[in-house]
Amino acid sequence: GQQLNQSPQSMFIQEGEDVSMNCTSSSIFNTWLWYKQDPGEGPVLLIALYKAGELTSNGRLTAQFGITRKDSFLNISASIPSDVGIYFCAGRSTGTYKYIFGTGTRLKVLA
Amino acid sequence: DSGVTQTPKHLITATGQRVTLRCSPRSGDLSVYWYQQSLDQGLQFLIQYYNGEERAKGNILERFSAQQFPDLHSELNLSSLELGDSALYFCASSVAGEVGGYTFGSGTRLTVV
Repeated sequence: GQQLNQSPQSMFIQEGEDVSMNCTSSSIFNTWLWYKQDPGEGPVLLIALYKAGELTSNGRLTAQFGITRKDSFLNISASIPSDVGIYFCAGRSTGTYKYIFGTGTRLKVLA
Repeated sequence: DSGVTQTPKHLITATGQRVTLRCSPRSGDLSVYWYQQSLDQGLQFLIQYYNGEERAKGNILERFSAQQFPDLHSELNLSSLELGDSALYFCASSVAGEVGGYTFGSGTRLTVV
């Protein structure tokens, strides 16, 4: 099925480093979501974005709705070991009923 | 606790068998979605129900079927199971309109041996 492209696919970082990841689509979206999945658990919604250019924070996490409406970005500042997991983006187009999920970015934090 | 309940949490069964996965959506949510996640893969959309009716279909195999009951709980039926069907199966729910995204359950891990 159709999926969004997330980059990078996986990353190892040192504790305390900042992390950046992005999600791109060939379609224009009117909503972007970012989820985190802990090992063995279901994804949990982190941030929702509804307007082009919107910048929203949730603690050390900041996400942006790209101005082209075809991409979104997630930054994590000062990473800690519990940031380990898979981060998924999801987007929805106007007039559609469901979200399309990205391929995921697997984050591993080295203490 | 997300409010979306999935049972069972783990299931081990043999090839050729049939299993039923159950999902109770968050209170007030009318839409239920089923996703399959194979090892280290992304979320593959299977099917969506809204208030008892099928609304959207993804890459769901003919061996798989689902339904949503009047009390809004949903069941995913997997039959003639193959080794490749081993995966995490997630249910998610949302209110009508999908604004605000989906709430996921903790999943059912299916192992076919």
